[in-house]
Amino acid sequence: LAKTTQPISMDSYEGQEVNITCSHNNIATNDYITWYQQFPSQGPRFIIQGYKTKVTNEVASLFIPADRKSSTLSLPRVSLSDTAVYYCLVGDGRSYNTDKLIFGTGTRLQVFP
Amino acid sequence: NAGVTQTPKFRVLKTGQSMTLLCAQDMNHEYMYWYRQDPGMGLRLIHYSVGEGTTAKGEVPDGYNVSRLKKQNFLLGLESAAPSQTSVYFCASSYPSGTNSPLHFGNGTRLTVT
Repeated sequence: LAKTTQPISMDSYEGQEVNITCSHNNIATNDYITWYQQFPSQGPRFIIQGYKTKVTNEVASLFIPADRKSSTLSLPRVSLSDTAVYYCLVGDGRSYNTDKLIFGTGTRLQVFP
Repeated sequence: NAGVTQTPKFRVLKTGQSMTLLCAQDMNHEYMYWYRQDPGMGLRLIHYSVGEGTTAKGEVPDGYNVSRLKKQNFLLGLESAAPSQTSVYFCASSYPSGTNSPLHFGNGTRLTVT
């Protein structure tokens, strides 16, 4: 099974950098790594996606080591509005294997003032 | 841009009643999905569709049926609702591309079965 493992929860303070790591030991050659953010009473929304090394956008950075068995979502200088649940998903987009459409329990990030 | 729209937003059913949840997307996406999310848990895939006229089972399909008669719509049906189906239901859609196409989610339907 293409299963991901993340910490259940993390706490941080405003202005700090937060790193959330996802383990995906069974990642396949064609798989990409995608991170989603979910606020209460809303559907998850796409944050960032990558295949290897480092990807950066206006919201976050994604670090992927050479063996691709894990990835780290980095949120620079978090604010209270970053309090949410973050999910890591591994898949190849063709979605024929439903194992790759399965979200784990995610990481609940709480940011304090 | 509406994106993914789910109706209704809230619904209360009695055990044994039936209902249909509607998902509509205006992004011309081929793939559509239904997930359920229970309190404090992640999302679990119920059914999905890779194109008009096709459906497939996901992780937790029992008690649900789906139809994809039009590309833009994906319907989730509960024939005989049970309290265990009390949950928040999310619909999502995506492109089937060579790279992994991100899922676009609606804002959910909160269903309570008494």
